[in-house]
Amino acid sequence: AQSVTQLDSQVPVFEEAPVELRCNYSSSVSVYLFWYVQYPNQGLQLLLKYLSGSTLVKGINGFEAEFNKSQTSFHLRKPSVHISDTAEYFCAVSGGLSGSARQLTFGSGTQLTVLP
Amino acid sequence: DTAVSQTPKYLVTQMGNDKSIKCEQNLGHDTMYWYKQDSKKFLKIMFSYNNKELIINETVPNRFSPKSPDKAHLNLHINSLELGDSAVYFCASSQELPHSTSYEQYFGPGTRLTVT
Repeated sequence: AQSVTQLDSQVPVFEEAPVELRCNYSSSVSVYLFWYVQYPNQGLQLLLKYLSGSTLVKGINGFEAEFNKSQTSFHLRKPSVHISDTAEYFCAVSGGLSGSARQLTFGSGTQLTVLP
Repeated sequence: DTAVSQTPKYLVTQMGNDKSIKCEQNLGHDTMYWYKQDSKKFLKIMFSYNNKELIINETVPNRFSPKSPDKAHLNLHINSLELGDSAVYFCASSQELPHSTSYEQYFGPGTRLTVT
């Protein structure tokens, strides 16, 4: 079984400031990690993913995340946020890439609010 | 062109009624999913279909029945609606390995179901 914990339910930050959204996971098998963004009244869009290889993953809109196996974390960062980054961010994990193992388990989400 | 579409976008109905939500994807994917997002924005997988066959069926009441007439469609039928069924329902699709290396689930815009 796997689970995801997003440590902050809400993160307010001023425009152009850096931000980090925290995500910790637990899994008994190899994991594949994802960050999704949900803008108001919209579906989810993939920001970035870690499947294997380099632990620093770059995604869309200037976001990046680092996979840390020893700390079982996959924190999302952006060096300078914009008003348009205001959204709900979800961390997710799957235990495999095919069949039932590829089921995504989501964290509870972090609402990022960028203030002018 | 919309990749994953859902109809209707909003659905308001009374307890005890039967309703359906339709989902279509034009990405040529072979796997489709239904997720439920509750009022606290928590996302949980309900069903997953691969090539019209059910591969994930979480602990969902049997009042919920998915139907996949073909690879591009996955509809959700709900019988005897209850107040607790009020939520946003998201459809998603992806391409199974080995025909995909990106492993991304594409989400529809969601259907907001309100049961009164």
